[in-house]
Amino acid sequence: DVKVTQSSRYLVKRTGEKVFLECVQDMDHENMFWYRQDPGLGLRLIYFSYDVKMKEKGDIPEGYSVSREKKERFSLILESASTNQTSMYLCASGASGAGEQYFGPGTRLTVT
Amino acid sequence: GQNIDQPTEMTATEGAIVQINCTYQTSGFNGLFWYQQHAGEAPTFLSYNVLDGLEEKGRFSSFLSRSKGYSYLLLKELQMKDSASYLCAVTPGGFKTIFGAGTRLFVKA
Repeated sequence: DVKVTQSSRYLVKRTGEKVFLECVQDMDHENMFWYRQDPGLGLRLIYFSYDVKMKEKGDIPEGYSVSREKKERFSLILESASTNQTSMYLCASGASGAGEQYFGPGTRLTVT
Repeated sequence: GQNIDQPTEMTATEGAIVQINCTYQTSGFNGLFWYQQHAGEAPTFLSYNVLDGLEEKGRFSSFLSRSKGYSYLLLKELQMKDSASYLCAVTPGGFKTIFGAGTRLFVKA
């Protein structure tokens, strides 16, 4: 079975803190994605990566950055957390192309 | 713009059949996905349609009409465990996938 793991299920941070969310997949997938999920808005793509050290902005990249130094690991960084970044963050991976995605359990981030 | 519409909530009875509709307007089309998401859990893949017609997988079927920008997910013999959100998603091209807001299905006894 494909497994996508995320470093934390729940996280509470203060405004202005730098936040790191880690995601690891074990299926040697080329593509990895970071989404945030908010009620009534669905999943919105923040960033994605189609290869090591390659990254592309999604629909809402402002206030975020990413890092992919190894194929299995994709990190999301909130440079200076703000209260409007309180959300559920979901990582996903997928094989090459635009096929099905496998999601991690999510990190519920609260910024106070 | 790119848009996916699906009903916010639906309620159905255990043992019945329910159809969840999805309409989309996207700049391109490389395929349509349905995902299931139980409360507090990750979405899991249910089905994929790229050609017009019906794809059947056990109790679940998914239909696509590309000319109408329309899909539906059909759930038969509903069970209580089918209570979840169902996400319609379209890949317009490239690596991106656009997700609808999801339909929350309540199955009652």
